[in-house]
Amino acid sequence: DQQVKQNSPSLSVQEGRISILNCDYTNSMFDYFLWYKKYPAEGPTFLISISSIKDKNEDGRFTVFLNKSAKHLSLHIVPSQPGDSAVYFCAATYGGATNKLIFGTGTLLAVQP
Amino acid sequence: DGGITQSPKYLFRKEGQNVTLSCEQNLNHDAMYWYRQDPGQGLRLIYYSQIVNDFQKGDIAEGYSVSREKKESFPLTVTSAQKNPTAFYLCASSPVQGNEKLFFGSGTQLSVL
Repeated sequence: DQQVKQNSPSLSVQEGRISILNCDYTNSMFDYFLWYKKYPAEGPTFLISISSIKDKNEDGRFTVFLNKSAKHLSLHIVPSQPGDSAVYFCAATYGGATNKLIFGTGTLLAVQP
Repeated sequence: DGGITQSPKYLFRKEGQNVTLSCEQNLNHDAMYWYRQDPGQGLRLIYYSQIVNDFQKGDIAEGYSVSREKKESFPLTVTSAQKNPTAFYLCASSPVQGNEKLFFGSGTQLSVL
C-alpha cells in the first residue's frame, strides 16, 4: 500500500514557464510534508516543506500548496530553469517522526532551454 | 565543509559475500539512517539510529545489519541473506529526532556480480 503517490513519472516544461509537480497521500495522520530534489548519482537535498496547519508555503521560486481535504500537495516552480532538471520526491510524516518519513516514487522534471 | 560521506561510490558483491557500506558525518547529528532506492520506487528505510550504541529496524531490515559505535559513523552491512541487494543505498542524518529535514550522502550503488 503506497501511502504517498507521485503519479507522473516525468514532466517536461520550457524554460521560464511554470512547473507543477503533484503528490497524493492516503494517510490522514500525516501532518508534515517535504519536497526533496535529487540529481543523478547524488543524494536528495531538502527543498521546501509545509505543515498541515498551513495551505501554502513559499520560498523564492518554489511554492508548495497543501489541500488537506483532497489529500493532495503540489510543488510550483516559477520560473523554471534548466538547473531545476532533477528528480523531485515528496515525503510525508506525522508526529515529527523522521523515522516515519514515507517517500513517493519521484517525478523526473526536465526543463528545456 | 560539513557533510555526509559515503564510500565507496560503486560496490560489487559476489554471491554469498557480505559487504559493508561506509557512512560518516561531521555535522554532529544525533540521528542517522540508511535508505534503499530501487528504480521506480521511493526511498525505503532499512535501519535508523537515534543515539550511539542504539539502532532500530526500518521497513526493510531483513538481510542487513548496522552498528553505531561512534556518533559520526553508521556502517551498513549487506549480508548474504539479502537476496536482492542490487540498489542505490543512501545514508542520511538529522540533528535530533523530530527534525524532519534529512541530510543525505551521495549514495553507494551496489551491484551483484
